[in-house]
Amino acid sequence: GAVVSQHPSWVICKSGTSVKIECRSLDFQATTMFWYRQFPKQSLMLMATSNEGSKATYEQGVEKDKFLINHASLTLSTLTVTSAHPEDSSFYICSAKKSPSYEQYFGPGTRLTVT
Amino acid sequence: GESVGLHLPTLSVQEGDNSIINCAYSNSASDYFIWYKQESGKGPQFIIDIRSNMDKRQGQRVTVLLNKTVKHLSLQIAATQPGDSAVYFCAENAGGTSYGKLTFGQGTILTVHP
Repeated sequence: GAVVSQHPSWVICKSGTSVKIECRSLDFQATTMFWYRQFPKQSLMLMATSNEGSKATYEQGVEKDKFLINHASLTLSTLTVTSAHPEDSSFYICSAKKSPSYEQYFGPGTRLTVT
Repeated sequence: GESVGLHLPTLSVQEGDNSIINCAYSNSASDYFIWYKQESGKGPQFIIDIRSNMDKRQGQRVTVLLNKTVKHLSLQIAATQPGDSAVYFCAENAGGTSYGKLTFGQGTILTVHP
């Protein structure tokens, strides 16, 4: 149990376009989902916390108008990278948490390349 | 503390040896700690966790030690195998208003030679 999926697993897009990444909890309801970004040979950096039915909470330095997060249901959160630029190329990872547990279950990640 | 690392520490061991991976944390309010394993191109995989009211916890081939006095966490892997080769991250949860949010350490690259 506690499987999290992401779609797509990789995507290449042109500069200026928008890309949507989906994060789904397959066998449990996730009250909270998190979005991380990871650059090569670096650690995971939390971008935002997403609670079902409410606005996402963004970490300092993360542009909320550029990284749109929608947590529409207890099993789905989406991250839309708007007007993508090459510097947005990264590995985006989501995780989901069951309340009240501390434990987060991670998705397999999405590799975004902006050309 | 912050978790950005441009040059990940590395640890190379021979198959069958024991491995010890260390992590320092800075937030004395953190009350929950986790070790994750990340293979190339994949998401983090849970290994073992420990709460701040404990100083040691054992799993299958893995042991986590927590020293709150010096804010230090370690992961011990017994009889390391080539399949253990990966990047290992510690993560901490600060609790309180940061409940559920994890701060990741910089990571350590473990390479196991057959």
